[in-house]
Amino acid sequence: QSVLTQPPSVSAAPGQKVTISCSGSSSNIGNNYVSWYQQLPGTAPKLLIYDNNKRPSGIPDRFSGSKSGTSATLGITGLQTGDEADYYCGTWDSSLSAGRWVFGGGTKLTVL
Amino acid sequence: EVQLVESGGGLVQPGRSLRLSCAASGFTFDDYAMHWVRQAPGKGLEWVSGISWNSGSIGYADSVKGRFTISRDNAKNSLYLQMNSLRAEDTALYYCAKDDSDILTGHGDYWGQGTLVTVSS
Repeated sequence: QSVLTQPPSVSAAPGQKVTISCSGSSSNIGNNYVSWYQQLPGTAPKLLIYDNNKRPSGIPDRFSGSKSGTSATLGITGLQTGDEADYYCGTWDSSLSAGRWVFGGGTKLTVL
Repeated sequence: EVQLVESGGGLVQPGRSLRLSCAASGFTFDDYAMHWVRQAPGKGLEWVSGISWNSGSIGYADSVKGRFTISRDNAKNSLYLQMNSLRAEDTALYYCAKDDSDILTGHGDYWGQGTLVTVSS
């Protein structure tokens, strides 16, 4: 059971827009920045969004992030077949004395 | 270019030990905290452990506490994970990940390609 909750799967047609939600609590999303990672099949996770809504160099502006309260959302516009991947949200959780890095269970994006 | 290269994985019997290494390059290693994150076959990401830039702050997931030990050698630009009393449920691809801060924040900006650990008799 993941600390952060994501839908297991989402799908949309090429060119369309999709959003992926990530729900947490005040000990994690509510008080810390959220990052999003893209994991293409057979590859390592890659940072897509950091500090809730910032894109690393090289990430197209088709990808966006937002946060409100204890939830975050990843948006992808102009879907391409190459966007088919697993997407994970992550953040720091301060509920334990030492803290821990927590992730959502992942969302599989299918571009129909 | 940031590079993180894990090594040390393999097939090991339950109860035995294994030591993973992560060789870092392309950035000033001792300026950043580092983490180990694992992914069991067909499953999601699970944080295993993290260590601050000077080893002053270390954290472990409950699932590995008391069995795994994280360490780093800043002179060698290397991160390590000593895994003892291995269990079948430790079977996973183990990733080394760089934090974007010198303390543990979970802001993983670069990841290695992973090293596979299989625990089986």
